[in-house]
Amino acid sequence: NAGVTQTPKFQVLKTGQSMTLQCAQDMNHEYMSWYRQDPGMGLRLIHYSVGAGITDQGEVPNGYNVSRSTTEDFPLRLLSAAPSQTSVYFCASSLGGRRTDTQYFGPGTRLTVL
Amino acid sequence: LAKTTQPVSMDSYEGQEVNITCSHNNIATNDYITWYQQFPSQGPRFIIQGYKTKVTNEVASLFIPADRKSSTLSLPRVSLSDTAVYYCLVGGSGNTGKLIFGQGTTLQVKP
Repeated sequence: NAGVTQTPKFQVLKTGQSMTLQCAQDMNHEYMSWYRQDPGMGLRLIHYSVGAGITDQGEVPNGYNVSRSTTEDFPLRLLSAAPSQTSVYFCASSLGGRRTDTQYFGPGTRLTVL
Repeated sequence: LAKTTQPVSMDSYEGQEVNITCSHNNIATNDYITWYQQFPSQGPRFIIQGYKTKVTNEVASLFIPADRKSSTLSLPRVSLSDTAVYYCLVGGSGNTGKLIFGQGTTLQVKP
């Protein structure tokens, strides 16, 4: 199993550009989520999904869109990038999304918005 | 949701035992306590989970007192490679949805 994969690893955008961060998992997990991590800070939840076709907002959803058309994929879209979105983005998955389920994290995407 | 409080940072030296305490005064009856570890430039990874008393695995031990209002992650004989951020999470098997990590505890191990 590849686990949780994320692409790209690094990305530089200009203010106003849009892009999609890709996340895929091959563990047949129902729950997937996106976090951002800013320097010296913990993880903040952006959006999450408890299954295909179901998504919901986390702590910091503004400026981001998600969809979940398949169990495997959970892309994160930045509609109009802003410098405040410069961060490291982590995708995670777990079997059921319960707090007792182990979260598996991807390697992260380091995004810089100029 | 049970709120957790951890120290922001801790320093230690190689070979010492490190104990990181997490407070969770509002823990519910069916809540478990889970700890994650995050190395620089990597995503977090699961370390240990427990409900009460003591749990031990090849990486760490987790001590939970009878009132369960706090828990202590114990790392025996740390090395430089244990330098990481450690997160404490609380929640039950019935909770789904928002999984909030918080700021965590940054452990710096010095030679």
